[in-house]
Amino acid sequence: GAGVSQSPSNKVTEKGKDVELRCDPISGHTALYWYRQSLGQGLEFLIYFQGNSAPDKSGLPSDRFSAERTGGSVSTLTIQRTQQEDSAVYLCASSLSRGNPYNSPLHFGNGTRLTVT
Amino acid sequence: GENVEQHPSTLSVQEGDSAVIKCTYSDSASNYFPWYKQELGKGPQLIIDIRSNVGEKKDQRIAVTLNKTAKHFSLHITETQPEDSAVYFCAAKGGNNRLAFGKGNQVVVIP
Repeated sequence: GAGVSQSPSNKVTEKGKDVELRCDPISGHTALYWYRQSLGQGLEFLIYFQGNSAPDKSGLPSDRFSAERTGGSVSTLTIQRTQQEDSAVYLCASSLSRGNPYNSPLHFGNGTRLTVT
Repeated sequence: GENVEQHPSTLSVQEGDSAVIKCTYSDSASNYFPWYKQELGKGPQLIIDIRSNVGEKKDQRIAVTLNKTAKHFSLHITETQPEDSAVYFCAAKGGNNRLAFGKGNQVVVIP
């Protein structure tokens, strides 16, 4: 079946511009996560959505970052006034939530590579 | 929160040999330890996971061992093949229920 889909796959933007990254999770997955992967670094947690609960935003690095999940499905990550240090691969993942969602395997998309010039 | 460290950062092995990647974690409350494989241009893919009530788990050529006392866990790949070349990430779910990832290990299998 279809996996997690992210768009665009690559995005080049000028410093100061806003960008929107999109994630389509696997159908039926109630949990959705955004991670950031910088060169040579591990996966940095950004935000987590679970059903209709309030999202866990504790990983967002600044107030320039925000995310929404409409209708419990598609999610968009928005970065306002982009900076060069925002350049990274942004990965989205989804999982079935069985009780504790962190014990459900994460299925990742292929990411959006963001380059801020 | 949980802190996961992964060693070595790069590992080269001859095709057919075994590869071992070790990770340590800091939170003794962690109870779930997945391993992900990431190929170039793709997202990480779960290859094996282990829960804290199990010491070892095997799936064909890959196995994971867990030592809760020492707070470390390892990925073992036997009879390595060129398609095993990738970046491997370990992770641990800490007491805050958040999955913390290591920085990744580049495995290169030399034909």
